[in-house]
Amino acid sequence: DTAVSQTPKYLVTQMGNDKSIKCEQNLGHDTMYWYKQDSKKFLKIMFSYNNKELIINETVPNRFSPKSPDKAHLNLHINSLELGDSAVYFCASSSLEGISYEQYFGPGTRLTVT
Amino acid sequence: GENVEQHPSTLSVQEGDSAVIKCTYSDSASNYFPWYKQELGKRPQLIIDIRSNVGEKKDQRIAVTLNKTAKHFSLHITETQPEDSAVYFCAASYDSWGKLQFGAGTQVVVTP
Repeated sequence: DTAVSQTPKYLVTQMGNDKSIKCEQNLGHDTMYWYKQDSKKFLKIMFSYNNKELIINETVPNRFSPKSPDKAHLNLHINSLELGDSAVYFCASSSLEGISYEQYFGPGTRLTVT
Repeated sequence: GENVEQHPSTLSVQEGDSAVIKCTYSDSASNYFPWYKQELGKRPQLIIDIRSNVGEKKDQRIAVTLNKTAKHFSLHITETQPEDSAVYFCAASYDSWGKLQFGAGTQVVVTP
């Protein structure tokens, strides 16, 4: 009955590779987000989709490409991985139509680029 | 855009004492201010939030206050317990898409 789930939990890969992270939520929310948390714990928004439409696109290298096949899923594909991409990536979801603005976070994907 | 500053970066308190974390924000249009708690290796979880039309909100041992004029808000934890040890993040949101700007986080350590 996990609310927001991500796969994989850990990802170790070499520079130059391409990888994807998947996220799914079963809360019936209409909005999903990708955050990057660096080694200093700083949480920064990367992208957001509302009803499959991109609504937030921060200053992120175009090697990062999000994709939302439906309201319950948001994936993140990263091309040509670099050392600086090493971080924990969190998916989150919320409902912009409801009373609560709470964002529910997934367990995170720890990406290590060697 | 919005900029959120959070202080202190680390806070060590004795069990039973109170802890206070302060945040300031730059955009007067911000209208939603959540606080998230992140335990080691875990996901951030909302512990309390406040909207701009409210000055104070309390939930058991935690409370948040908001001063819109000064553009700052604070988290207060009373009667701290070892399980309160975590990183706490404040955030501010000013747009209808729910974009959150997070502070840098405060590492709280509660010593028995």
